[in-house]
Amino acid sequence: GPKVLQIPSHQIIDMGQMVTLNCDPVSNHLYFYWYKQILGQQMEFLVNFYNGKVMEKSKLFKDQFSVERPDGSYFTLKIQPTALEDSAVYFCASSSWGGWDTQYFGPGTRLLVL
Amino acid sequence: QQQVRQSPQSLTVWEGETAILNCSYEDSTFNYFPWYQQFPGEGPALLISISSVSDKKEDGRFTIFFNKREKKLSLHITDSQPGDSATYFCAASSNTGYQNFYFGKGTSLTVIP
Repeated sequence: GPKVLQIPSHQIIDMGQMVTLNCDPVSNHLYFYWYKQILGQQMEFLVNFYNGKVMEKSKLFKDQFSVERPDGSYFTLKIQPTALEDSAVYFCASSSWGGWDTQYFGPGTRLLVL
Repeated sequence: QQQVRQSPQSLTVWEGETAILNCSYEDSTFNYFPWYQQFPGEGPALLISISSVSDKKEDGRFTIFFNKREKKLSLHITDSQPGDSATYFCAASSNTGYQNFYFGKGTSLTVIP
């Protein structure tokens, strides 16, 4: 089936540094999503993105977070500066259209903030 | 407050048996309930979903039973196969969009040959 790729698979950084998580969505998909999963907890919606704009964001999407997809390249999640509580697995997803269309998830990026 | 709860946390069945995974939710406005299957090292994949206007949805060996009054649903996997061994997530949402889209913590299913 369609594949979403995430780069890197693991990232370790010091608190206060900036990190960029990269997502290569399914080609010709138009809607993009980020989710966060803390170890042992449920996955939680962060943000969705369409046509160059944030459509919805949750309370977890702090001011330190930003997303973009410049010129149809990677869909990125940037955290600047990072905090200890940002340690989690971040999943990217994409879909053809919005609403409740099937989302295809990537394998996740495991972020550890020290 | 956890909006979506799943039980059991882990489940082991023999090949050929029916596995029953349970899910309950808090918000009575939830009207769409997807189930995801996740294998180790991969992201979750949509397995089957149901809307609140139905009380049953079947897709091959996978069936969702939905009880709106009790705010409960269950995923039945009949004739379980070792390849079904994975973590299963129940999720719930309403028409208000992804801001109110909640996952459960998952049930880890092991099917023994």
